[in-house]
This record gives sequence, C-alpha cells and structure tokens, in this order.
Amino acid sequence: RKEVEQDPGPFNVPEGATVAFNCTYSNSASQSFFWYRQDCRKEPKLLMSVYSSGNEDGRFTAQLNRASQYISLLIRDSKLSDSATYLCVVNHQGKFYFGSGTKLNVKP
Amino acid sequence: SQTIHQWPATLVQPVGSPLSLECTVEGTSNPNLYWYRQAAGRGLQLLFYSVGIGQISSEVPQNLSASRPQDRQFILSSKKLLLSDSGFYLCAWSVEGGSGETQYFGPGTRLLVL
Repeated sequence: RKEVEQDPGPFNVPEGATVAFNCTYSNSASQSFFWYRQDCRKEPKLLMSVYSSGNEDGRFTAQLNRASQYISLLIRDSKLSDSATYLCVVNHQGKFYFGSGTKLNVKP
Repeated sequence: SQTIHQWPATLVQPVGSPLSLECTVEGTSNPNLYWYRQAAGRGLQLLFYSVGIGQISSEVPQNLSASRPQDRQFILSSKKLLLSDSGFYLCAWSVEGGSGETQYFGPGTRLLVL
C-alpha cells in the first residue's frame, strides 16, 4: 500500500469553478502535512501547510482529518493559472512522502 | 532568505558514462538534504537523504550514490549510467521550524541517458 494516495485526475473545470482534491495517507503517526503545486517540467513548490484546525490562504482552503487519515484542498474561483499538478505530502519522522499528484486543468 | 541551486539544468549523457550532479543551499545552516528522482509523468521517488556532513541514507538500491562533503553541498553520482536513470532529479532541503519541518526544492536537473 502506498504511503500517500491521490486521484490522478485530470480534473477539467471551467474558470470560476470550485474544485476539491482529496488524499489519504497510511501512517496514522504522520506529523505534518502539505500541499505542493508542480507546473509542467518544473520543481514542486510549497502551496500551503495543512493544520488540524483547517487553514485558508486566499482562494485555497486545506483541511486535515486525522481520524480518517485524509487531507483535502479546496480551490474557489479557479483561475487559468491554477492549472498544474497538486501534490499531497506527508511527513513522518523526518521523511517526506509524496502522492503521485492530481492534475488540474482550468479551461476558459 | 534561503536559496537552493542545482546544476546543470539539462544533461544528455551516453549509457555507461559517469554522472555528477551538484546541489548547494544558501542562507541556512545544517539543513536536511534530499535527492529525488521523478520519471516522466510519475511521482517523486526519494533516492537519498542526509542529516549532516558525511551522513547519507539510501532509500533505493541502485547504481547511484550521494555524498555531502560540506554542510550545504549535496552531490549525486554514478559511475556508469543506465537508460533507466533518465529522469528529473530534484534536490531539496528542509529545516525544523515553528510549524514543523517544511521542504523546499531546487530547480532540478533533467537527465536524458541515451
């Protein structure tokens, strides 16, 4: 079983739509959680950390459910520039475990 | 602020040739350092990580090796490249902060083995 699992997508949405991604992780003792964004042929870039109480950064909202071991990312009012692959990342004892990513295509 | 450098950006090498990729971090001390590989259309595979000078942990047995000769320098090497070594090689660093440990990536080296 993979440490972190994500739906690969692609999610094809129109501009202005709201889209949500989920990811699940296998190790209940995982300590910290993140969403990264990766553009085509570029390095992953930190989008946001995910906290147990949930957190928001502009149009992006992240949630963590430790009991069910899943993490979510909600993007409101999608922009064309949001098109990318979104990686779910979990840290356990100093190692980072990456999901394979969910591809988002925002269409005009 | 912290920055991470990787070079070269792109590399084309013949099968059986040696490899040396370098990564350096500026603006931080005693970072944890990582080498990942990403095959085309795939997720990130952790190859090596290091918590200090001369301390290397290997995650995947293969024909690659890593060294950390200085606190902020991490080198990925191979004596003889295989076709399957082609991919996008990413160096990353992390440091413990107030909200836990967060990881940041360099721009990567795209390696094509022919």
